[in-house]
Amino acid sequence: DQQVKQNSPSLSVQEGRISILNCDYTNSMFDYFLWYKKYPAEGPTFLISISSIKDKNEDGRFTVFLNKSAKHLSLHIVPSQPGDSAVYFCAALKFRGGKSTFGDGTTLTVKP
Amino acid sequence: NAGVTQTPKFQVLKTGQSMTLQCAQDMNHNSMYWYRQDPGMGLRLIYYSASEGTTDKGEVPNGYNVSRLNKREFSLRLESAAPSQTSVYFCASILPGLANTGELFFGEGSRLTVL
Repeated sequence: DQQVKQNSPSLSVQEGRISILNCDYTNSMFDYFLWYKKYPAEGPTFLISISSIKDKNEDGRFTVFLNKSAKHLSLHIVPSQPGDSAVYFCAALKFRGGKSTFGDGTTLTVKP
Repeated sequence: NAGVTQTPKFQVLKTGQSMTLQCAQDMNHNSMYWYRQDPGMGLRLIYYSASEGTTDKGEVPNGYNVSRLNKREFSLRLESAAPSQTSVYFCASILPGLANTGELFFGEGSRLTVL
């Protein structure tokens, strides 16, 4: 039973437009939700997170929205840049034990 | 300041051979993790260590053992490698606590192929 799901394996957008990556989860006990970015042959790097008690967090071009009633979160990238092309993983964390559960990832391609 | 360092970066094994993946972090983090990533899939937790001297199983622990040698080092051992263990392995660390954002710091990965 996959607790964190990213239903879109890939997304392609034009440079300058908005990219929206989606993530659904099933366990309402998660404390934090995070987005990681991964380039080929590198480890994932942290991008942005949101506490389960908030509904929005913004950092520059990146905004994460959390809809607890729908158990859904999304990452908005505005404006999208070619350097944003990477695999994006959604993750959910329970503080007790610090274990993160990851989605399968969405490959974002930003076309110049 | 290297962050999280994994060795080796690449390894090819024959079925039945054993090997150890090494991980060290220099950020004074308490908790350390081993994940594996298979093509088209997310990262799955193999084992984790919440603090020095403790280890616990994650989602996919079968076929693996771990050792938390000290606060800095967390090793993953394959006693008898199988082709199903062909994967990219990532070590990560985190400074736990409610004040923390939950951010995992990852190493660059170790690509293991079992023939």
